[in-house]
Amino acid sequence: ELKVEQNPLFLSMQEGKNYTIYCNYSTTSDRLYWYRQDPGKSLESLFVLLSNGAVKQEGRLMASLDTKARLSTLHITAAVHDLSATYFCAVDTSGNTPLVFGKGTRLSVIA
Amino acid sequence: ETGVTQSPTHLIKTRGQQVTLRCSSQSGHNTVSWYQQALGQGPQFIFQYYREEENGRGNFPPRFSGLQFPNYSSELNVNALELDDSALYLCASSFRTGALQETQYFGPGTRLLVL
Repeated sequence: ELKVEQNPLFLSMQEGKNYTIYCNYSTTSDRLYWYRQDPGKSLESLFVLLSNGAVKQEGRLMASLDTKARLSTLHITAAVHDLSATYFCAVDTSGNTPLVFGKGTRLSVIA
Repeated sequence: ETGVTQSPTHLIKTRGQQVTLRCSSQSGHNTVSWYQQALGQGPQFIFQYYREEENGRGNFPPRFSGLQFPNYSSELNVNALELDDSALYLCASSFRTGALQETQYFGPGTRLLVL
């Protein structure tokens, strides 16, 4: 059974600081996703990582994937208040497996 | 290109009632997956519909059922509602050819409250 673990589950960051969210998964998978969710809203797709060593960046967020370690990281650079949200990683394979989500990391950026 | 849409946006029901949620898939997509997201949790897979048939199911009881229509839209039906069914229900559409499924795109969700 595929399991996805995120840590930390809660993160309070000061504006301007850097931090990393970690996502571990238990079995071989083809694709890893990062989503952002604002309170009461749906999931906003941030990144899709498809291969070992993949790195994608958008603004202050950068995601990477190490398939050998079954680990993805979401790095936040110089945090700003607008990044406050819950971030989920999710994993699937291109076959018949559904998306399996982590429990999410609730990020709060404070002045 | 039209994205994934869901209706209604919010719904309040009482225990024991039945509810139907609706999802229209993104243009060009033929597969719909449903997820339940309880407060403070990650989304949990309910089931997927492909070619109008259930194509995979998560750990949900039979009172959760669904349909997919020829235009690829889908319904999620929940019978005998329980308080724990209160959640955000997310629909995601994708394109599938046989065993290969492309990236899923999520709709805005339906928030269900069971009293």
